Amino acid sequence: DTEVTQTPKHLVMGMTNKKSLKCEQHMGHRAMYWYKQKAKKPPELMFVYSYEKLSINESVPSRFSPECPNSSLLNLHLHALQPEDSALYLCASSPFSTGGTGELFFGEGSRLTVL
Amino acid sequence: GESVGLHLPTLSVQEGDNSIINCAYSNSASDYFIWYKQESGKGPQFIIDIRSNMDKRQGQRVTVLLNKTVKHLSLQIAATQPGDSAVYFCAENTQGAQKLVFGQGTRLTINP
Repeated sequence: DTEVTQTPKHLVMGMTNKKSLKCEQHMGHRAMYWYKQKAKKPPELMFVYSYEKLSINESVPSRFSPECPNSSLLNLHLHALQPEDSALYLCASSPFSTGGTGELFFGEGSRLTVL
Repeated sequence: GESVGLHLPTLSVQEGDNSIINCAYSNSASDYFIWYKQESGKGPQFIIDIRSNMDKRQGQRVTVLLNKTVKHLSLQIAATQPGDSAVYFCAENTQGAQKLVFGQGTRLTINP
């Protein structure tokens, strides 16, 4: 079982809705990540938080707003999304704040459908 | 730009045979190369990694080979089992960089 927990597992929202994806880990990891994965494609990095501070934003549109309330939690707030934003959103954590070996621990993802 | 890619999008093997999944990379500055396995409906799962100063590393039923001369990475799975069916991604990371770059993925299917 994954030690990174993501909720909800499935989310359907309209383009005018506001929703949030949540991620939680209790492994004491200090780096947390959001990835977006389209069908049959590799995960693409969106955001990285290191020690609860945003360290990387891969030019993600402002309709995606990340938040790291504490070292165990990571949220992704969604507003005014487009149908092309439909994808699997993966959260990951790492014990290394500066990349390390690259071993990330992934959650099972939140599958988002935007109507 | 820099990229990590795979030679074959799909690979079918007989149960019990060995599987070899290949990957080409272009960033010679990468310090670590990692293989992830992603089963249907799940997030990627770490399999094994190799540091750039190594050319071979073995795990349980898996071996990763790194050829820096031709910038090639491979994953060998011994005695492939039905549970090995998944998409396999190679990825690279430069120490100090927090960006893990994934290759395009290879779908491994096991024939009974």
